Amino acid sequence: DGGITQSPKYLFRKEGQNVTLSCEQNLNHDAMYWYRQDPGQGLRLIYYSQIVNDFQKGDIAEGYSVSREKKESFPLTVTSAQKNPTAFYLCASSHREGNTEAFFGQGTRLTVV
Amino acid sequence: DAKTTQPNSMESNEEEPVHLPCNHSTISGTDYIHWYRQLPSQGPEYVIHGLTSNVNNRMASLAIAEDRKSSTLILHRATLRDAAVYYCILRALGSGGGSNYKLTFGKGTLLTVNP
Repeated sequence: DGGITQSPKYLFRKEGQNVTLSCEQNLNHDAMYWYRQDPGQGLRLIYYSQIVNDFQKGDIAEGYSVSREKKESFPLTVTSAQKNPTAFYLCASSHREGNTEAFFGQGTRLTVV
Repeated sequence: DAKTTQPNSMESNEEEPVHLPCNHSTISGTDYIHWYRQLPSQGPEYVIHGLTSNVNNRMASLAIAEDRKSSTLILHRATLRDAAVYYCILRALGSGGGSNYKLTFGKGTLLTVNP
């Protein structure tokens, strides 16, 4: 089945460790996005990519890094520089045109202790 | 980025219609109006989108004001499964590259459906 997959669903890490969240899609979408969501809040854009080997910072990129080496994959690394990493992380993908819908993964809940 | 404004919360009764408003006074001529909804602990799902004309699909209807500065998502008969946060966002047509491809969400409207 076509879709977008995030793994793992739950992730626990110790403070000071980097952690990488996976996002894979087989929808042939050029654009991919990473969001962070805190309890009771909306989605805040971390990074987005419109094509392989290119990505741009969103509104809250500090403490995060990404890569886009393949069209299907857009991993997000939460670095030790991110002061409050515990959150719900969502990945999305879409065609680039504005008249197309975006598809979201089921999210990864990261807890840093 | 063109921004949208939505009420923080709304309440409805089961089996009744729900009208969720969205203001987007700075919308540009090529921005599409999209609606998504998010159930607790899940990723958002697409509901509907439109450019100028009103749109209908199996989930909802989208009514777009003639000046395009506001729109309304209409759920014709709310069910308990429609209780979610509803997001109204604008998507640029996609020409020009760069930040035209941003997909920015606000806080949305929390819809509560009473049995």
